[in-house]
Amino acid sequence: AQSVTQLDSQVPVFEEAPVELRCNYSSSVSVYLFWYVQYPNQGLQLLLKYLSGSTLVKGINGFEAEFNKSQTSFHLRKPSVHISDTAEYFCAALNNNAGNMLTFGGGTRLMVKP
Amino acid sequence: DSGVTQTPKHLITATGQRVTLRCSPRSGDLSVYWYQQSLDQGLQFLIHYYNGEERAKGNILERFSAQQFPDLHSELNLSSLELGDSALYFCASSRRPNEKLFFGSGTQLSVL
Repeated sequence: AQSVTQLDSQVPVFEEAPVELRCNYSSSVSVYLFWYVQYPNQGLQLLLKYLSGSTLVKGINGFEAEFNKSQTSFHLRKPSVHISDTAEYFCAALNNNAGNMLTFGGGTRLMVKP
Repeated sequence: DSGVTQTPKHLITATGQRVTLRCSPRSGDLSVYWYQQSLDQGLQFLIHYYNGEERAKGNILERFSAQQFPDLHSELNLSSLELGDSALYFCASSRRPNEKLFFGSGTQLSVL
C-alpha cells in the first residue's frame, strides 16, 4: 500500500531563516508528487508538483522541492521564510499505475516567528 | 487513517449515467469539501458544505450537485457523465471552515 509520511507535525522557525519540510513516500511504482499549502482561513492551493524531468521543482512563493528517488523523498525548502508563510503544508503522492491512488501526508504546520 | 471515509474506492460507469459518491467526515468535523484531482492543476475545489449548508462553490459543473445531510455525511452526485469526468474525486473535512483539512482516500471514477 502506498503511504506518505510527513515526519514533522510542526516546524517553528524564525523569519528570514531557511526551512525544510520533510516528506517521504513509499511506493514500488512511479509516482507523481505534490505539495499543497493551506494558509490560515483559506482553502487549499497547489504549491508545486513533480511529474517527470528535472528532479528540482520550483513552485510559487519561492518554494522548491527535490525529488530523490533513491531516498523516496520529496522535501520542500525555502531559503528565507516570511511571516506570511505560516500555514499548513501537505505532501501528496499519486500512483500513476492503474487505480491512480492519491495519498496525502498528515500535514506539517509551519510557524514563522518574528 | 485520517478518519474521513469515502465510498466507493473505484467506480466504473458509462457515458450518460449518474453516480453518487459518498463521504463521511471525521467525528466532530462540520465542514466537508469536495475536490477533483487533475494532473495539470492538482486538486480543483468543487464545493464546500458547513453544518448542512452550502458555504462556497468552486469549479463545479451544473451536471454535478452535492449535499450534506443532518448526520454530516455528504454526497456528490454526478449526472449525464462524460468521458472527461473520469478523475479522482476527493473529500476532505475540517472542524470548522478553513481549519486544517483531513483527507479521504478518494474515489476513482472511470467513465467508459
